[in-house]
Formats: sequence, C-alpha cells, structure tokens
Amino acid sequence: AQRVTQPEKLLSVFKGAPVELKCNYSYSGSPELFWYVQYSRQRLQLLLRHISRESIKGFTADLNKGETSFHLKKPFAQEEDSAMYYCALRAPGGGGADGLTFGKGTHLIIQP
Amino acid sequence: GAGVSQSPRYKVAKRGQDVALRCDPISGHVSLFWYQQALGQGPEFLTYFQNEAQLDKSGLPSDRFFAERPEGSVSTLKIQRTQQEDSAVYLCASSFRSEGLNNEQFFGPGTRLTVL
Repeated sequence: AQRVTQPEKLLSVFKGAPVELKCNYSYSGSPELFWYVQYSRQRLQLLLRHISRESIKGFTADLNKGETSFHLKKPFAQEEDSAMYYCALRAPGGGGADGLTFGKGTHLIIQP
Repeated sequence: GAGVSQSPRYKVAKRGQDVALRCDPISGHVSLFWYQQALGQGPEFLTYFQNEAQLDKSGLPSDRFFAERPEGSVSTLKIQRTQQEDSAVYLCASSFRSEGLNNEQFFGPGTRLTVL
C-alpha cells in the first residue's frame, strides 16, 4: 500500500526567506505526485503536479525517485503563501486505484 | 461554470441517526471521488465512481457507509447508524477523466459532520 509522509505539521518562516515543505512517499511503482493547497476558508485546490514540471506561484517541486521525495520549494516566501499544504500520490494504472493518498499536511505560516 | 458543490455544508446528527450527504460534480466530469478528513489529518480516500459505476469502494470504513451515483452525475454518501468516530469533513471531488493530463481532481467545500 502507498503512503505519503509530511514530517512537519507546522512550518513558520519570515517573509522573503526560502521555504521547503518536505514530502516523502512509499510506493513500489511509478506514482503521480501532487501538491494541493488550502487557503483559509477556501476549498482544497491543486497547486502543482510532477508530470507538468511547472512553477506555480513561484513554487516548484522535483520528484526524486532515489530518495522517494517530492519536496515543495519557493525561494522567497510571501505572506499570501500562508496556508495548509498537502502532498498527494496517485497510483496510476487504472483498475479503480485512482483515489489520491494524502499526507497529513503542513501548515505554513509566513511571518511579516 | 460552478465548481463542485456539496450539501449540506454542516450536519449535526445524534448517534444512531442516518445521514445523507450530497455531491454535485462539475458538469461533464466522468470521475467522482469521496474522501473523509478527520480533524488534523489529510483527506482519506473512501470511494470512486466512473460515471455510474462504483469502481473502488476499498476505503469505506464499514458497511454502514454506502455511496451511489445512479445517473452518473449527482452522488450521495449515506452513513447509517452514525457513530462519534464518523465525525469528520466529507469531501467530494470530480475530474474530467481518471487518467492522463485531464485527471486533476476538483474539490468541493466539504460537509462537516458532527455526531453527538
């Protein structure tokens, strides 16, 4: 069975400082990895996915299969980045195994 | 162009009561998912539909949980004889496809269920 681990429940950094939210996974195949974000009083929304290899709102994440990690990074944090961040994994291949497996989330607080 | 909607947004039930939670996915989305999110936890997968077919119900915690999507659009999650451990936010998500680049899941606002 797959598992997603986000070791930090809470991460507090100052505005302008670099941010790294850690995510490690366990899965025997080649998973799809995602980062979802939930801003205060808003619904969960997709931030980025590893197959797109894009930068969204200044955030990037690289899939490291050797370390089974998908850490989320941003070089200069902004106050509007304060939110809950969830790392999620999808085991491709159909057969009904299309639900996402989420980590417990990291609450990111950007201090002014 | 509305997103995924869920009703009710809040539900308080006495232990032992049955509840029904509704999800209206984005029009045209083939795939529909239900997740349960307990306080302080990430969402946990419950069940998945492709159109009206329930392809995966491996995450349903007990036989008190039942989901349906009879016409391949609106879905209902029913919990019978609710228990306190059922208290959680129930999230619904839909996606245009289940695989490929169009498999992004769009989430609803959730229904917060409190069982007293």
